[in-house]
This record gives sequence, structure tokens and C-alpha cells, in this order.
Amino acid sequence: KAGVTQTPRYLIKTRGQQVTLSCSPISGHRSVSWYQQTPGQGLQFLFEYFSETQRNKGNFPGRFSGRQFSNSRSEMNVSTLELGDSALYLCASAEGTGSYNEQFFGPGTRLTVL
Amino acid sequence: QQPVQSPQAVILREGEDAVINCSSSKALYSVHWYRQKHGEAPIFLMILLKGGEQKGHDKISASFNEKKQQSSLYLTASQLSYSGTYFCGTVLMDSNYQLIWGAGTKLIIKP
Repeated sequence: KAGVTQTPRYLIKTRGQQVTLSCSPISGHRSVSWYQQTPGQGLQFLFEYFSETQRNKGNFPGRFSGRQFSNSRSEMNVSTLELGDSALYLCASAEGTGSYNEQFFGPGTRLTVL
Repeated sequence: QQPVQSPQAVILREGEDAVINCSSSKALYSVHWYRQKHGEAPIFLMILLKGGEQKGHDKISASFNEKKQQSSLYLTASQLSYSGTYFCGTVLMDSNYQLIWGAGTKLIIKP
């Protein structure tokens, strides 16, 4: 099976712009979780989608949103980008929910906000 | 509510043992362990569930003390490939099953 894929791998944006990141889970996986990783804050949970429904949401402002399609692919959108949004954004897929199942991580999208 | 990992970093010689701890101030439903090498995605090591169920790789050993809300990851006879940052993630009993990650423990193995 192919692993989790994320596109694009690298992205440079300027403050105020918006960005959409994409995640394709492993075939058959219905859960997709998104994480923000920064050197200072570690791994921060953004949200989890399961069968097109948002199951959980972390403590991030409303500028961060996501959705999941019927084929389990997921997108994450960040509007009105701020310098502090610069980070590695990881998505992870699982057969069941990520709360009690092994998660498979993608390589991440490195977002730089200038 | 972020779990506390200790130590923050550890340096070992190949063949030595290490223990990485993860503790929470609240009742836990599950503890998850992942390892991330520099520039790579985290990979799954183990899940320990309340009640004793474990899911993970045979070569990984871990414990979950439900009374103390603590988990420990045991790395025995360490190999160079064990190097990386180890993260524990916890799911609280009174949460909506959201996974919250610790700050990580950096493990360096020297030959």
C-alpha cells in the first residue's frame, strides 16, 4: 500500500495570504488527523476527521479549518496567515480513530510565512 | 494538560539501556508512543490502553501505571537506529478522546 502523501511539500507565503494543504491517507483509512510541529511547541493537534466528520478540534483559532472528502482525502486551510504559522504541518491517517489506533504520518508540508 | 516527558534528552552508548517516562496529572484512557528521526515523519511504536491492552511492535517494551497516570518506554541494548526524538501522546478519560502530545525526549546513541 502507498503511504500517506502530502502536497505540496514546501510552501512560501506572505502574511495575510491563505493556504490550502492536502493529505491523501492510506487506502482504506477513514481517519485523518492534522498536526502543527514547531521547534518550540512540539506536536500540536489541529483536528481529526473521520468519515467526513470533524471528530475533534484542538486549540487553534478559527483561521485554521479543514475538511474531508468522501474518498477520505483531507484538506487543511489557513486564512490570513501570520508569521507564527510557519511550521511543519503533518497529517496522519488511521483505520479507526487516532485516539486508539496506530497513526501513519505523512512527510509533512513545510510552510514558511514571510 | 500536556503530558510531561522525562528526561528531556539522554545520551547513551550503543548497548546501554534507557527509560523514557510520560506522566499526566489527569486520568488517562491511553498512552501512545512514537519516534521521530530528524527530517522524517513520526513512526508508531506502541499504544497502551486502560485495562491492560497493548498494541505495538514486539521489540518495544512499555508499561502503563493507571493509578499513577504514568507510562514508561524501555529501550534495552540500544542500537544506533534508536536515535531520535520520542513522543508520548495521551488521551484523557474526561476528554473527547483528543490526543495531546508531550514535548518529546531526544535520544542520542553513540557508537
